[in-house]
Amino acid sequence: GDSVTQMEGPVTLSEEAFLTINCTYTATGYPSLFWYVQYPGEGLQLLLKATKADDKGSNKGFEATYRKETTSFHLEKGSVQVSDSAVYFCALRRETSGSRLTFGEGTQLTVNP
Amino acid sequence: EPEVTQTPSHQVTQMGQEVILRCVPISNHLYFYWYRQILGQKVEFLVSFYNNEISEKSEIFDDQFSVERPDGSNFTLKIRSTKLEDSAMYFCASSAGTGFLETQYFGPGTRLLVL
Repeated sequence: GDSVTQMEGPVTLSEEAFLTINCTYTATGYPSLFWYVQYPGEGLQLLLKATKADDKGSNKGFEATYRKETTSFHLEKGSVQVSDSAVYFCALRRETSGSRLTFGEGTQLTVNP
Repeated sequence: EPEVTQTPSHQVTQMGQEVILRCVPISNHLYFYWYRQILGQKVEFLVSFYNNEISEKSEIFDDQFSVERPDGSNFTLKIRSTKLEDSAMYFCASSAGTGFLETQYFGPGTRLLVL
């Protein structure tokens, strides 16, 4: 079945450091890929998405590129801020799987000043 | 900005008791979902609901669980005869449609602890 695997956390960085959170997936067909973020006390918010191979999703300085050859969708940001501290979830949705999202484990990011 | 809300934020219950988790989806959304996350594990899909019917459910969503839209604003998840392994964070979500690219908007979650 479908699955998403994220790098183990938690991740702790200093402000202005470069961020990479790895995400790989297993799915048949051509899923859409998503990154959700959960700030403390809030719900999961869509951060960015990509719907086909080589698409790049971007938002708020974050980027992720849909790599079908490596079945990956790694999240990157060139310079993190304290306000980026949150839990980041990678997810996929197959066109034929109805509406369900399949999530990774989530990665806790803490950015220190 | 419209948001999905959930109550309570935390619930503690005794094993064997029934619990009802409540959600208020975004007002013009038509599709509703429940997901859960057991501590240290992945967020898992439970069920989707449209037009007062379950449209999709996972293998987790057995007879112990039920969903209902009792009025025009609330969407509830009922767990009968709770078990220790039902302890988890439960997330409600809603969307305007179910198109491939449709965004699901999530609530902050209800943390359920079964003792």
